[in-house]
Amino acid sequence: GAVVSQHPSRVICKSGTSVKIECRSLDFQATTMFWYRQFPKQSLMLMATSNEGSKATYEQGVEKDKFLINHASLTLSTLTVTSAHPEDSSFYICSARDLDINSPLHFGNGTRLTVT
Amino acid sequence: GQNIDQPTEMTATEGAIVQINCTYQTSGFNGLFWYQQHAGEAPTFLSYNVLDGLEEKGRFSSFLSRSKGYSYLLLKELQMKDSASYLCAVPSILTGGGNKLTFGTGTQLKVEL
Repeated sequence: GAVVSQHPSRVICKSGTSVKIECRSLDFQATTMFWYRQFPKQSLMLMATSNEGSKATYEQGVEKDKFLINHASLTLSTLTVTSAHPEDSSFYICSARDLDINSPLHFGNGTRLTVT
Repeated sequence: GQNIDQPTEMTATEGAIVQINCTYQTSGFNGLFWYQQHAGEAPTFLSYNVLDGLEEKGRFSSFLSRSKGYSYLLLKELQMKDSASYLCAVPSILTGGGNKLTFGTGTQLKVEL
């Protein structure tokens, strides 16, 4: 089955620093990857759609200059949280699907970010 | 835009049957997904419905009525490990092709002895 690997699984950083999260599709090519954020006891909120070789599409209210997304290849997308603040502490999850648009999303295991 | 409604919490007894409802409003319908998410983990795919009717997959079944904008997930022979959040999600088409998935708030199911 399709596997999405996300790294790191957990990270603690200080306010003002930047954190990079990687998302890889291991056994399929993903022209589109999605980045979600989830606060405790809340549902997944889509942050942005990452397109290979082009700029990401951000959802309303998500700062593109704060959450930098790069999708340099068909198997790798990265999310960089710049100048992190404690309110950015959350569970970040990436997902991808293969070329069939009706196939389910496959999720990475998520990254628990804590900003101190 | 899309609007998805689910109950926030449900409690059921081990061995019983529980039905989790989802109503949705979407500008264009492209199917409906159900995911299961245990605390602190990523969601896992349960089912996908695009046509009306019931799709059965082991202990889990999912039903769809497109005319009513309604779906439910049916869990039979409940086990303690079924305690999790169940997320209803609908895709919307992206301008450049493909689609993005919008999730409901999720229903936190607690299975008790």
